[in-house]
Amino acid sequence: DAKTTQPPSMDCAEGRAANLPCNHSTISGNEYVYWYRQIHSQGPQYIIHGLKNNETNEMASLIITEDRKSSTLILPHATLRDTAVYYCIVRGHSGNTPLVFGKGTRLSVIA
Amino acid sequence: EPEVTQTPSHQVTQMGQEVILRCVPISNHLYFYWYRQILGQKVEFLVSFYNNEISEKSEIFDDQFSVERPDGSNFTLKIRSTKLEDSAMYFCASSESTPGEQYFGPGTRLTVT
Repeated sequence: DAKTTQPPSMDCAEGRAANLPCNHSTISGNEYVYWYRQIHSQGPQYIIHGLKNNETNEMASLIITEDRKSSTLILPHATLRDTAVYYCIVRGHSGNTPLVFGKGTRLSVIA
Repeated sequence: EPEVTQTPSHQVTQMGQEVILRCVPISNHLYFYWYRQILGQKVEFLVSFYNNEISEKSEIFDDQFSVERPDGSNFTLKIRSTKLEDSAMYFCASSESTPGEQYFGPGTRLTVT
């Protein structure tokens, strides 16, 4: 089972920042936080991952709380193409560990 | 930008038939995965593969399923004696390192009638 809790859905106005929360209170010290998204029925798309420091790439920013029990994915300027289901996944870094997907958050970007 | 490709995009088969789903991972990737997603449900892990052998498999991946890397480019999932409940989107993924970012293909929609 997924080790994360996410709201089932969120709306965001186009051009505004989308902030997607994730709770992972049982995360252990060697586990990373990964974010993926799935647009309609396409294959999941990697967004970003982090351990404890905040991370930023061309797609998004990841803010992880100091106690690592929660995180927020930030899409700085959401567009209609960002409408998707966003998955927060906690994953160990030993062995060939698979991704365990939960139900994610369905983000709707509204014009 | 390199990408994972999958063929066919849609496969229709009759119950009891065998199907082979094909994937071409990103060329320098060494770790390969199959996932499936039944319509309206979560993405579920099936199997991971490295160095020509299965690394890990889920309880879904029973004797009905098998994987193979028949040459240097293809990675296949075989489903023997398909059942109605095998109808799903099947996604192949690959990664350069482990655990690493996994890159997913567009999927094959399998419909068992």
